[in-house]
Amino acid sequence: GQNIDQPTEMTATEGAIVQINCTYQTSGFNGLFWYQQHAGEAPTFLSYNVLDGLEEKGRFSSFLSRSKGYSYLLLKELQMKDSASYLCALLKMDSSYKLIFGSGTRLLVRP
Amino acid sequence: AAGVIQSPRHLIKEKRETATLKCYPIPRHDTVYWYQQGPGQDPQFLISFYEKMQSDKGSIPDRFSAQQFSDYHSELNMSSLELGDSALYFCASSPASSGNTIYFGEGSWLTVV
Repeated sequence: GQNIDQPTEMTATEGAIVQINCTYQTSGFNGLFWYQQHAGEAPTFLSYNVLDGLEEKGRFSSFLSRSKGYSYLLLKELQMKDSASYLCALLKMDSSYKLIFGSGTRLLVRP
Repeated sequence: AAGVIQSPRHLIKEKRETATLKCYPIPRHDTVYWYQQGPGQDPQFLISFYEKMQSDKGSIPDRFSAQQFSDYHSELNMSSLELGDSALYFCASSPASSGNTIYFGEGSWLTVV
């Protein structure tokens, strides 16, 4: 299987930095996605890691370590609008590409 | 830029009725995925299609069926609806050659009463 674990909830302060972790056990995967999802809305793409290391995109960075079965999403200069759920998802290739989602982390940004 | 279009956005049905959801992928995307997301849960993969053929199947109930048409749009048919089918149904699309460009539609809210 590919158990994907994330903290259920996190709270952080506006302007601060927060790191959301994702650990997984899987036999293999093509890459790891991070999505942001506001309640009742579609997941929106944040980042995609294929190789180990850090991918930076503005205020968001994502890190992957395949050997450790670990990824994190780093959000800098938090804004109130960053309050949302953050989903870690593994991209698997069987007969087609398929995204397997973690349970998501609800982030609350406070003033 | 064109995105994944889903319709209807909201649907209310009674138990044992039938519902059909439609998905229009991003132009030149030949792969379509369907996900179900219950309240407070993560999206669960239902089924996917590539070039009008079913390519993968997840936790889709036997009461549900889906297909992809010649114009690449897809429809998810749900019969004998149950209260537990109430969820947000997402469609996503990607070009088969590039699994790292999977984009989601806005979702269709199904409420079964």
